[in-house]
Amino acid sequence: GAVVSQHPSRVICKSGTSVKIECRSLDFQATTMFWYRQFPKQSLMLMATSNEGSKATYEQGVEKDKFLINHASLTLSTLTVTSAHPEDSSFYICSARQGKGVGTQYFGPGTRLTVL
Amino acid sequence: AQTVTQSQPEMSVQEAETVTLSCTYDTSENNYYLFWYKQPPSRQMILVIRQEAYKQQNATENRFSVNFQKAAKSFSLKISDSQLGDTAMYFCAYLMDSSYKLIFGSGTRLLVRP
Repeated sequence: GAVVSQHPSRVICKSGTSVKIECRSLDFQATTMFWYRQFPKQSLMLMATSNEGSKATYEQGVEKDKFLINHASLTLSTLTVTSAHPEDSSFYICSARQGKGVGTQYFGPGTRLTVL
Repeated sequence: AQTVTQSQPEMSVQEAETVTLSCTYDTSENNYYLFWYKQPPSRQMILVIRQEAYKQQNATENRFSVNFQKAAKSFSLKISDSQLGDTAMYFCAYLMDSSYKLIFGSGTRLLVRP
């Protein structure tokens, strides 16, 4: 199956700093990628839809100025958590849609962010 | 708005036995897709099975099969011959044909006992 990578897998940062998380589709092109957040023992919550070459679409309640998304190429989307605070600590997962129409979404392995 | 409900927070099954995980959803759409994803302790989301709403035939993938009841908006997952490696969180998900967004249920933690 298709492979999606995320980097870094874990990151610890100080409060107030910004953190960038990369999501790459390794063997296919993805015009659409998605960013999710997962709290411990909870489900995945969609944060935003990342479209190549255009602005991301954010879900209600997600601060677009805090969670900056850039989808610069067909294989790379980045999520930047700006001025991170302890409440931003979470598990962030991306997915990439392969194929036309509905296609199939493949998920990255996730990034654990800890803000001290 | 579309919602997905998994009413079983935890399930347990003996190895080699069969277990069924429940999922219901609410939608006013006619064209949509349903999925079961598995999330093992590694946290990597793995697609287990997929069902197109326009197909009446229930999807099957080896030991995994679904019971799709469109009128009842029910989409249960049956795991036959359970294996220790099936121990994981299982998420039911709904995808809107128009936006490609996945909406996940709250998950069911499955423990396969040796």
